[in-house]
Amino acid sequence: SQQGEEDPQALSIQEGENATMNCSYKTSINNLQWYRQNSGRGLVHLILIRSNEREKHSGRLRVTLDTSKKSSSLLITASRAADTASYFCATSLTGGGNKLTFGTGTQLKVEL
Amino acid sequence: NAGVMQNPRHLVRRRGQEARLRCSPMKGHSHVYWYRQLPEEGLKFMVYLQKENIIDESGMPKERFSAEFPKEGPSILRIQQVVRGDSAAYFCASSPRGTGDYEQYFGPGTRLTVT
Repeated sequence: SQQGEEDPQALSIQEGENATMNCSYKTSINNLQWYRQNSGRGLVHLILIRSNEREKHSGRLRVTLDTSKKSSSLLITASRAADTASYFCATSLTGGGNKLTFGTGTQLKVEL
Repeated sequence: NAGVMQNPRHLVRRRGQEARLRCSPMKGHSHVYWYRQLPEEGLKFMVYLQKENIIDESGMPKERFSAEFPKEGPSILRIQQVVRGDSAAYFCASSPRGTGDYEQYFGPGTRLTVT
């Protein structure tokens, strides 16, 4: 399996519910970032969490990082139809410069 | 402050032709990254450049692909003699530094279709 795998691959929820996506990685990282991509569009940066941080918040987003388990989670609270998109985690690897290694993504669908 | 700009947004080439993709980083950013996204997949790193230098090209195919970031002007990703397998979305990103914890700002991408 590759560095940065999201779970689940697809998630369908009702508006107002919370959505949780997980990301696992294999090697030591400098930081982990979450991006959103709407269908056919570019990527929008959501949150960057450093390797020495455990949790970060931004609006309705909460990201956790567990370096001992090499995993991260993205929680979107009170989801909206506009949150429908693909979500990717990306890692900046120790000694890898600043290039990002992306996961395979979670497709989130929020239904009215 | 304009974001990362890429052009063209869509490019159609016949097999054997050349594709030239352009990327202008955000103002003040001197670090550029190119990524490729195949349908239904995540992005794959291709190359990292600073002005006039290729820093990391570990993700570039060995043949037909080249990249540059001249002192003046945009970064160019060039694909010679395109094949159908080159059809993908190509994204450029920029950052203000090459090390440290900096987010990368992505352009809208160029969608290359090879017929």
